[in-house]
Amino acid sequence: AQSVTQLGSHVSVSEGALVLLRCNYSSSVPPYLFWYVQYPNQGLQLLLKYTTGATLVKGINGFEAEFKKSETSFHLTKPSAHMSDAAEYFCAVSDGRGSTLGRLYFGRGTQLTVWP
Amino acid sequence: DAMVIQNPRYQVTQFGKPVTLSCSQTLNHNVMYWYQQKSSQAPKLLFHYYDKDFNNEADTPDNFQSRRPNTSFCFLDIRSPGLGDAAMYLCATSRDRGFTEAFFGQGTRLTVV
Repeated sequence: AQSVTQLGSHVSVSEGALVLLRCNYSSSVPPYLFWYVQYPNQGLQLLLKYTTGATLVKGINGFEAEFKKSETSFHLTKPSAHMSDAAEYFCAVSDGRGSTLGRLYFGRGTQLTVWP
Repeated sequence: DAMVIQNPRYQVTQFGKPVTLSCSQTLNHNVMYWYQQKSSQAPKLLFHYYDKDFNNEADTPDNFQSRRPNTSFCFLDIRSPGLGDAAMYLCATSRDRGFTEAFFGQGTRLTVV
């Protein structure tokens, strides 16, 4: 079965500082991994995804994440935080390649606060 | 732009009064999902359609039903809303079940009074 653990329900950084949001997953099959961002009273927007190939994936708004199979991790980073990055971030894992179910399993989310 | 559209954005309903939330998509995706997201929690999958094939999650209450009359539209019906059903309801689509990503609508915030 698939599951996601996001370490830290709240992360606060200063504007310009490094952003690091942690995600560990459990999957019985080679996973597809995703990071979504959610602004207040909005839907989820895809930041980036890992399916196959290069383990360092780049997304929108300067975010990137690295798939580390040995650590079962998919941490999200951004070198320099901007005020507009303040939002809730969700890590998700899918059923994986060839799934006949197509479910997404979400972590509990990390609220990112950016201080001026 | 191709997208997933949910209506209404905000819905207030009375305790026990049936309510329907709608979702439409212009992506022509085969799969449509309904998620429930309560405050400060992860989205929880209620059910999904693969084309016309309905797939209910085991722990989705019977109070929640869904209809997909055609590829573009999907509805979430709550037969007798309780206070505990107040949440954000998110519709999403994906091209196929072995998908690479899901596309989400803006959500409908449901309040039960």
